[in-house]
Amino acid sequence: EAGVTQSPTHLIKTRGQQATLRCSPISGHTSVYWYQQALGLGLQFLLWYDEGEERNRGNFPPRFSGRQFPNYSSELNVNALELEDSALYLCASSLTGLGSGANVLTFGAGSRLTVL
Amino acid sequence: AQSVSQHNHHVILSEAASLELGCNYSYGGTVNLFWYVQYPGQHLQLLLKYFSGDPLVKGIKGFEAEFIKSKFSFNLRKPSVQWSDTAEYFCAVNGYSTLTFGKGTMLLVSP
Repeated sequence: EAGVTQSPTHLIKTRGQQATLRCSPISGHTSVYWYQQALGLGLQFLLWYDEGEERNRGNFPPRFSGRQFPNYSSELNVNALELEDSALYLCASSLTGLGSGANVLTFGAGSRLTVL
Repeated sequence: AQSVSQHNHHVILSEAASLELGCNYSYGGTVNLFWYVQYPGQHLQLLLKYFSGDPLVKGIKGFEAEFIKSKFSFNLRKPSVQWSDTAEYFCAVNGYSTLTFGKGTMLLVSP
């Protein structure tokens, strides 16, 4: 079974540019979660998508946005990049949302975004 | 909102030493609790989980954790660590359908 796949592995942008990160969940999983892992800050919850809808978002500004496609893959967009957006962005998927049943998150390897 | 506190940011042990990593959470409802591990250069992996039932849960690679509801704790333990256990360990709580993580504990095991 293929795991959660993310692309690109690395991305370098300059301040003010836009970044797009992509995620393919495990086959059969409908929920996709995005997390930011910045140095020293642990994992911060960004966004949760399920069945094509945004279900919840963390404490991040609106320039962090995304969407989920009909095949349940997802993309994360970060507009007007700032230096502090440099981080590892992790995508995770679960069978359904974490609030139902004994679901767990399976993580991808992440996309490393560097903002210069 | 839920929160997770991990007591130690860095832990250094010698091989064969016993390990206990502290984790406390705050959440008003029924919780699901997790420990994830991130080995150097690898992605985050599930170590063990607690949903209900026996508060002592066993995970992979000889790790176990105990849920103590009265103390809002979910500490991770291993009787004898190995060099290969060098990694960053994250405690997490599921509330409001999202997973909230602690800031992580970096464990370095010297051979």
